[in-house]
Amino acid sequence: QVQLRESGPGLVKASQTLSLTCTVSDYSISGSDYYWSWIRQLPGKGLEWIGYIDDSETTYYNPSLKSRVSLSIESSKNQFSLNLRSVTAADTAVYYCATFLGDGYNYYFEHWGQGTLVTVSS
Amino acid sequence: SSELTQDPAVSVALGQTVTITCQGDSLRSYYASWYQQKPGQAPVLVVYGKNSRPSGIPGRFSGSTSKNKASLTITGAQAEDEADYFCNSRDSSGDSYVFGTGTKVTVL
Repeated sequence: QVQLRESGPGLVKASQTLSLTCTVSDYSISGSDYYWSWIRQLPGKGLEWIGYIDDSETTYYNPSLKSRVSLSIESSKNQFSLNLRSVTAADTAVYYCATFLGDGYNYYFEHWGQGTLVTVSS
Repeated sequence: SSELTQDPAVSVALGQTVTITCQGDSLRSYYASWYQQKPGQAPVLVVYGKNSRPSGIPGRFSGSTSKNKASLTITGAQAEDEADYFCNSRDSSGDSYVFGTGTKVTVL
């Protein structure tokens, strides 16, 4: 069973960069069929997909966030990371990392981390 | 449209059957996946594809799709099924993955 855990600052100042890392356990990122994804949940609201990266460092981003997001992967540490630039209060959310699979018609997020709350302060 | 619309809330008597729906144009091209989320917890995948369940998900959860609507059915709802349920699919443009607005299921 793949285990994921998010880590990073819980408080970020407005206009700065939000940086989070997801550590994967009991499964190797290298050579995996999974895509490694980030999703966030705004307070009291629904879920928003941020993007994903594969072990070849190919990335795919939500067009609405693409100008501010970058994902990276460090297979030697079995980790992948999220950077979100120029944050505002609207980026305050619980951020989840998750595994993602897709085959052309069928897409799903199979394993999820526990989530980490990031608050953007002014 | 890139939206997936769900009813905000439904209730079901203990042991009865409830169906949650998710509507959107993208569902004509892509299957929905369904997630259960309890307060303070991460979402959990319960159904994906035509009608597949991950290991450990009870057989009372099932999924179906017709035209632009996907459905999640809980047959014989249990108290522990009380939660928010979200659908997800690739959007119609193929550029993103969108979640539904969520349905709160109350088991009476």
